Amino acid sequence: SAVISQKPSRDICQRGTSLTIQCQVDSQVTMMFWYRQQPGQSLTLIATANQGSEATYESGFVIDKFPISRPNLTFSTLTVSNMSPEDSSIYLCSALGLAVQETQYFGPGTRLLVL
Amino acid sequence: GENVEQHPSTLSVQEGDSAVIKCTYSDSASNYFPWYKQELGKRPQLIIDIRSNVGEKKDQRIAVTLNKTAKHFSLHITETQPEDSAVYFCAASINSGYSTLTFGKGTMLLVSP
Repeated sequence: SAVISQKPSRDICQRGTSLTIQCQVDSQVTMMFWYRQQPGQSLTLIATANQGSEATYESGFVIDKFPISRPNLTFSTLTVSNMSPEDSSIYLCSALGLAVQETQYFGPGTRLLVL
Repeated sequence: GENVEQHPSTLSVQEGDSAVIKCTYSDSASNYFPWYKQELGKRPQLIIDIRSNVGEKKDQRIAVTLNKTAKHFSLHITETQPEDSAVYFCAASINSGYSTLTFGKGTMLLVSP
């Protein structure tokens, strides 16, 4: 399985500011995803990060609020823009490998608190 | 879109007992069903998965069963240990995982010594 890292691991931000979260995979992967996990809740998919093209967003999530980049097969960023306290959550990236019948593996998550 | 229901939301067992967590899905096109374990403050970790071409899969104390007709799948943990205590999530997707996963709401399993 791929080894996935995220930066930062946690942050405390002021409302109205933006935070960019980085996700790095140690090998080339076919697909990368960004999830949000609010305290005590399940994982909700924000978007699929597409290499070289615009991300595919799930219902309820928009590019202006969560711009995503994926410049190559091992790296992606998620920006949480114009933050409010409701954005306080854990943000996780996941990656799907190149092997046949591969599955999704998760990064360690970024714990975000917005004051 | 796909909808995954998971039950129970919490499960308390004594060490050595068995634990069963059940999930149902709505989209008959779903063909890949992973289970993740998430310990407090940690990332979700894949513990077992099953594809629709098999009805059961086992890995030591963990097994998963799939009933495609009824559209439900279950996680079975035997001889539970305190370190099994965690939140367990089921998920479903089409295209053998090469598409988005839809997660259940999770089951908090507590194994008491």
